[in-house]
Amino acid sequence: AQTVTQSQPEMSVQEAETVTLSCTYDTSESNYYLFWYKQPPSRQMILVIRQEAYKQQNATENRFSVNFQKAAKSFSLKISDSQLGDTAMYFCAYYSGSARQLTFGSGTQLTVLP
Amino acid sequence: DAGVIQSPRHEVTEMGQEVTLRCKPISGHNSLFWYRQTMMRGLELLIYFNNNVPIDDSGMPEDRFSAKMPNASFSTLKIQPSEPRDSAVYFCASSHSGGADTQYFGPGTRLTVL
Repeated sequence: AQTVTQSQPEMSVQEAETVTLSCTYDTSESNYYLFWYKQPPSRQMILVIRQEAYKQQNATENRFSVNFQKAAKSFSLKISDSQLGDTAMYFCAYYSGSARQLTFGSGTQLTVLP
Repeated sequence: DAGVIQSPRHEVTEMGQEVTLRCKPISGHNSLFWYRQTMMRGLELLIYFNNNVPIDDSGMPEDRFSAKMPNASFSTLKIQPSEPRDSAVYFCASSHSGGADTQYFGPGTRLTVL
């Protein structure tokens, strides 16, 4: 079974600074998809970014970008110019084509400090 | 589009009672997912429908849980009888086509079983 590990339960960053959240996963598959979701205090799960494993280019969405290292099975999220509204729990998730399941990590609580 | 709609947003019930959670997916999406979120176990997939047909219900914890999708615009998750350990936030999500596509989550139903 695939596992997703987020080794940082909590992080904080000053407003306008840059922060990187780490995620590693374990798989023997070659075709899969990776996601970062955020869950603010409202508890709504919101997609931040999506990466297809067969694409070498790292995905970006405005201030959010990933560093996808397929060989190392690493998928970190970089948030640039952090804003107070970025305060949330961030979940890394792996989609297995064979199991047809989305497996979530345990989450990283990010707090942006004014 | 209105997004994924779930009702009720909060449910408080007593042990032994039947609970029904409802979900309306985004129009045009043909895949629907039910998740449960707890502090102890994180986010877990309960069941996945594709074109209204249950594809994978291996995450359904026991026979007390059942899910239906009578048409493309409505799904229910039923717990009968409910137990205190069922207390959790239950999310419904939908995607255009399968789990590899971005899953859009509803606001969740917070269930408390006394």
